[in-house]
Order: sequence, then C-alpha cells, then structure tokens
Amino acid sequence: EDQVTQSPEALRLQEGESSSLNCSYTVSGLRGLFWYRQDPGKGPEFLFTLYSAGEEKEKERLKATLTKKESFLHITAPKPEDSATYLCAVHPGYSSASKIIFGSGTRLSIRP
Amino acid sequence: GAVVSQHPSRVICKSGTSVKIECRSLDFQATTMFWYRQFPKQSLMLMATSNEGSKATYEQGVEKDKFLINHASLTLSTLTVTSAHPEDSSFYICSARGHGDSPLHFGNGTRLTVT
Repeated sequence: EDQVTQSPEALRLQEGESSSLNCSYTVSGLRGLFWYRQDPGKGPEFLFTLYSAGEEKEKERLKATLTKKESFLHITAPKPEDSATYLCAVHPGYSSASKIIFGSGTRLSIRP
Repeated sequence: GAVVSQHPSRVICKSGTSVKIECRSLDFQATTMFWYRQFPKQSLMLMATSNEGSKATYEQGVEKDKFLINHASLTLSTLTVTSAHPEDSSFYICSARGHGDSPLHFGNGTRLTVT
C-alpha cells in the first residue's frame, strides 16, 4: 500500500537554529514529490517539486532533497515567519491520473 | 503564476440550507480539480476528483448527493453542500492541476459553519 509518513509531527526551534523535516514514502514508482507550506486557516502554498533521486531545490532558507525512499526539507537559520505546517505529498507512478498522497504534516514553530 | 481563487472564504448557514463554494484557476487551465476537507490539526482528506465536462469521482464514504460537484469549464469547479447539518461544518479546500504531472495548486479554503 502506498504510504507517506512525515516526522516529526511537531518541531519547536529557536530563531536561527537550523533543522530538517523528514518525509518517508513507500509507493509504486514516483512521478513527483511535492512540498507545501500551510498557514493556519489558509490553503497549502506550493514550495517545491522533486522528480528524481539526487535532485535538490532551494528557496530562501529552505532546501528540499530527494532519495529513493525519503525527502528532507532543510531549514537554515529559520525566522519566526517560517512557522507553519509543512506538508509532503507524493504522486505515485502508475499513471498521471493516480491520486496524490499527502503526509500528515510537520507543525514547525520558531521562537524569536 | 498558478493562482487558484476560492470563494467564499467563510460562510455561516442554517441547518437544512445549501451552500455553494466556487474554485477558479485564474491563470491556467485546470484539467483536473480536487476537493478536500480538513479537520483541525489534521491533514487533507480528499473528497472528490473532477475533470472538466465529466462527472466527479467521489472517495469512499463521501455522499455524492450531499456534496454536489460541477466542473463546467477548464477554470471553474463548484462544490455545493446540500441540506447542510452541523456535522458538515469544516474547512473545505479546492485544488487544481494543469497537466498530469504538474503539482496541485490550492485555493485559500472555505470555513463552513452550520448552525
């Protein structure tokens, strides 16, 4: 069965304290892995797409990496405004019509 | 680019009435749109998938007669919650996808409260 697991569920960091969020996946092939940021009471905001192992994408303080079994979202020197829930989603590989599977998210809190 | 607009952002209605939520892709054509429901501190729960011009595909356990979905054009999908009850109160989010392997882009959600 296809699965996406995110860890930790919640993470509290001090401003400037770098860390990583994990997204482990078990799927039949991979068409794409997506990272989203969701603020309370808002819809998810698209951050990155990764398509193949070894690929990396960066945006400001965020960097996403991908292996054959997991993806990491590295946050470097975070600021309070980076506080949000980060969602990982996987598009399995049977066809482009297959459903995207979401992880349960990591709630990130950055203390000033 | 890839902006999805969802309206209304909040709605309060009385039990037994119907509510329509609109989802529009503003700068791309959405071949597929998705409707999700999200409970507090939980992830997204897919309710249904709609393709332009065809009937929506509902997930197991989602009542298609209660949650009517129409995808009349490549830029507009609507979700109508019929005969709403307090247990239908939730956060509903739409998303849209252009071509098959592109990421989903989400609207900002609709907070529905049924009194």
